[in-house]
Amino acid sequence: KAGVTQTPRYLIKTRGQQVTLSCSPISGHRSVSWYQQTPGQGLQFLFEYFSETQRNKGNFPGRFSGRQFSNSRSEMNVSTLELGDSALYLCASSYSLGTGELFFGEGSRLTVL
Amino acid sequence: SQKIEQNSEALNIQEGKTATLTCNYTNYSPAYLQWYRQDPGRGPVFLLLIRENEKEKRKERLKVTFDTTLKQSLFHITASQPADSATYLCALDGGFKTIFGAGTRLFVKA
Repeated sequence: KAGVTQTPRYLIKTRGQQVTLSCSPISGHRSVSWYQQTPGQGLQFLFEYFSETQRNKGNFPGRFSGRQFSNSRSEMNVSTLELGDSALYLCASSYSLGTGELFFGEGSRLTVL
Repeated sequence: SQKIEQNSEALNIQEGKTATLTCNYTNYSPAYLQWYRQDPGRGPVFLLLIRENEKEKRKERLKVTFDTTLKQSLFHITASQPADSATYLCALDGGFKTIFGAGTRLFVKA
C-alpha cells in the first residue's frame, strides 16, 4: 500500500511569490492534515480537511489556504511569500477524523529567498 | 494557556540503557496521546497511541504511560540501540486536531 505522497519535495521561491503544495493520502484515508515545521517552532498545525471540508484551522494568516478534492487529495497554497515561510511542510493522512495515528509524507521543503 | 512540553531538548544515553522521555501538558483534556519518531529530513512516524483510560501500553522495546491526574506521559525505550537515535515527538488530541510537542532528540552512544 503506497504511503502519503507529497510534491514537490524541494522548492525555492522569492518573496512575494505564491506556492502550491500537493498531498496524496493513503488510499482509503479521508482526512488530510497539514503542518508547518521549523526549527524554532516545531510542528505547527495549519488545517485539517475531511470529505472536502475544512474541519479545523490553526493560527496562521489568511495567506495560507488549502482545499481537498473528491478523491481526498489535498493542496495547500501560500500567497505573498515571506522569508519566515521557509519551512518543511508536512501532510498527514488518517482514515477518519479524531482517530489518531497520523501517517505523514516526507514533506515539501520550501525555501523563500 | 494550553501547553504541551517535552522536558528535554536532548537526551544522551549509553547503548543498552533505558531512555525515558517526558511529555507534560496543561489545559488540555486529551482522549488519547501519541508518540512519534522523526529522523532528520523525514516525516514523523507513528509509534504508539495510549487512551485516557489506559495506564500503560507496550510495543516491543517501547513502553508508554499516561497519567491524566499528573497530565503527563512517559515514553521508555529499553535496551536502547544507536539506531534508536532520533527525535521523539509527543502528540495529543486537541479537539479535531493533533497538537505536537517540540520533541526530544535522543542520542544513543555505542
